[in-house]
Amino acid sequence: GAGVSQSPSNKVTEKGKDVELRCDPISGHTALYWYRQSLGQGLEFLIYFQGNSAPDKSGLPSDRFSAERTGGSVSTLTIQRTQQEDSAVYLCASSPKTGTYNEQFFGPGTRLTVL
Amino acid sequence: AQSVAQPEDQVNVAEGNPLTVKCTYSVSGNPYLFWYVQYPNRGLQFLLKYITGDNLVKGSYGFEAEFNKSQTSFHLKKPSALVSDSALYFCAVRDGSNYQLIWGAGTKLIIKP
Repeated sequence: GAGVSQSPSNKVTEKGKDVELRCDPISGHTALYWYRQSLGQGLEFLIYFQGNSAPDKSGLPSDRFSAERTGGSVSTLTIQRTQQEDSAVYLCASSPKTGTYNEQFFGPGTRLTVL
Repeated sequence: AQSVAQPEDQVNVAEGNPLTVKCTYSVSGNPYLFWYVQYPNRGLQFLLKYITGDNLVKGSYGFEAEFNKSQTSFHLKKPSALVSDSALYFCAVRDGSNYQLIWGAGTKLIIKP
């Protein structure tokens, strides 16, 4: 079956513009994560969705960042008034359920460049 | 607090030699441990995990990892390295009560022909 897909694969924007990043998880996966990976760095947790529960937004770095997940499937990460320090690869992952032993399946990422 | 350490930024190994990528962790409860690999310009791929049971876990591409509770380690190993194993490797951990994975900073593995 299809894996996790993300779009766009690359996004170049000007400082101050808003951007939307999309994630389409594996069908049937109820858990969805967003991460940020800066060049050569590890993964920084941003936000977590599980089914219809309230999302865990504890990793969002500022109120310029927000995310939605519609119908328990597709998710959109929105960054308002982008700054140069927002430049990074944004990764989305999904998992079959909340169980802590389930691995996460990652999309290819969106590389965001803020000029 | 939960944490993961990958003490080596980079590991260089000659093709055909055994390789080890180190990972140590700190969690308050029982650890669930994971290894992922990231090839250039690609997303992360799951390699293997330890949940419970045998301390030696076998995964994809001939990799294995050994869980050592007393040393709080989960080192990734492969008996004979391939040039195609060159990639960025991440160790991650969560405890039984937390859905969040805590990630190491990653280790760049370079296999030289």
